[in-house]
Amino acid sequence: KNEVEQSPQNLTAQEGEFITINCSYSVGISALHWLQQHPGGGIVSLFMLSSGKKKHGRLIATINIQEKHSSLHITASHPRDSAVYICAVDQGAQKLVFGQGTRLTINP
Amino acid sequence: SAVISQKPSRDICQRGTSLTIQCQVDSQVTMMFWYRQQPGQSLTLIATANQGSEATYESGFVIDKFPISRPNLTFSTLTVSNMSPEDSSIYLCSVGGGRGNTEAFFGQGTRLTVV
Repeated sequence: KNEVEQSPQNLTAQEGEFITINCSYSVGISALHWLQQHPGGGIVSLFMLSSGKKKHGRLIATINIQEKHSSLHITASHPRDSAVYICAVDQGAQKLVFGQGTRLTINP
Repeated sequence: SAVISQKPSRDICQRGTSLTIQCQVDSQVTMMFWYRQQPGQSLTLIATANQGSEATYESGFVIDKFPISRPNLTFSTLTVSNMSPEDSSIYLCSVGGGRGNTEAFFGQGTRLTVV
């Protein structure tokens, strides 16, 4: 079993829908990262959080440390949100452990 | 924050040849990370590049196949040597993201196809 599990692996939705991507992990962490990877391959950091909730525009990330679970929400989804979303955990060491990614497609 | 310039963005190479990927960071950083992302897979750490010392390789990766240079605190290269089709992947460099207190920043990725 992977240390970081994301669900769903693939998600297709219509423009405007509310999107939720989940991340569960089995190890103790110092922080959790949500990343966005576009088809060209480049990766952008969306959030780094260690407790509670963060919001940036239409994106919201939450984390429950006790339950070892985090969610990424996208409100009013748009085709430009189509990308792979990756959850990664920081165990306090120098490297991250990555989930398998969730491929999100938003249709107009 | 950190901005990383990675090149080339993509290349198609013949088997048996080598490709060197470069990453330039706009600020000085102690550690740089090199990742491989095989088709449909998540990121796998190849090695950590420290300035002034040998890179630290993860299990399954060796220096002869993936030599790394780190001549200063803003630059690093990864070479994929003696390539085979199995090396076709996206390669990414990264800084930050560890020790619980830093955001992770990534280069634009190099999409390598070996034919």
